[in-house]
Amino acid sequence: DAMVIQNPRYQVTQFGKPVTLSCSQTLNHNVMYWYQQKSSQAPKLLFHYYDKDFNNEADTPDNFQSRRPNTSFCFLDIRSPGLGDAAMYLCATSREARSYEQYFGPGTRLTVT
Amino acid sequence: DAKTTQPNSMESNEEEPVHLPCNHSTISGTDYIHWYRQLPSQGPEYVIHGLTSNVNNRMASLAIAEDRKSSTLILHRATLRDAAVYYCILGYALNFGKGTSLLVTP
Repeated sequence: DAMVIQNPRYQVTQFGKPVTLSCSQTLNHNVMYWYQQKSSQAPKLLFHYYDKDFNNEADTPDNFQSRRPNTSFCFLDIRSPGLGDAAMYLCATSREARSYEQYFGPGTRLTVT
Repeated sequence: DAKTTQPNSMESNEEEPVHLPCNHSTISGTDYIHWYRQLPSQGPEYVIHGLTSNVNNRMASLAIAEDRKSSTLILHRATLRDAAVYYCILGYALNFGKGTSLLVTP
């Protein structure tokens, strides 16, 4: 029973071509997070939503945007992907903000050509 | 945010206990200590968390030093499926450090 679903699992986009990654959850959690994980590195938090309140990390590039149209779905938009944006993008949820247990999806691996 | 220090890698034999250390000398009094692990090609998975007292759950035990400047994640009997990167994270910070890559050999 999937709880945090990410589609697609693999995404290939061209340099500069906008791309959207999606995440959905069946947990009805208030908080949804997006992380970027580059090869052999730890996950890095990009931003999170507490309900409809958007919280951006200070060092997240402007090229990255997010939308959360309802409780279940959250999208990551990369407006003009560069080669350096190739990474695994992980979506996670938690019941409350700063909750101790986050539930992660399997990730979407983005390739930029 | 308080910083954590973990060994880059550790190795264990299957069915033996594993003790994964984490140093956090600048931890604040209200920081919880969390552990997550990431199996190959998967998203991170919550393991355990604690504040002051030692904690046990079905996955592992967490031993916290009396001064809280260090903690140890204990896997009581390592299996091949426990091979993963283990992350020690403090407080409300959602920032993963480099973690410890655990290798389990048969």
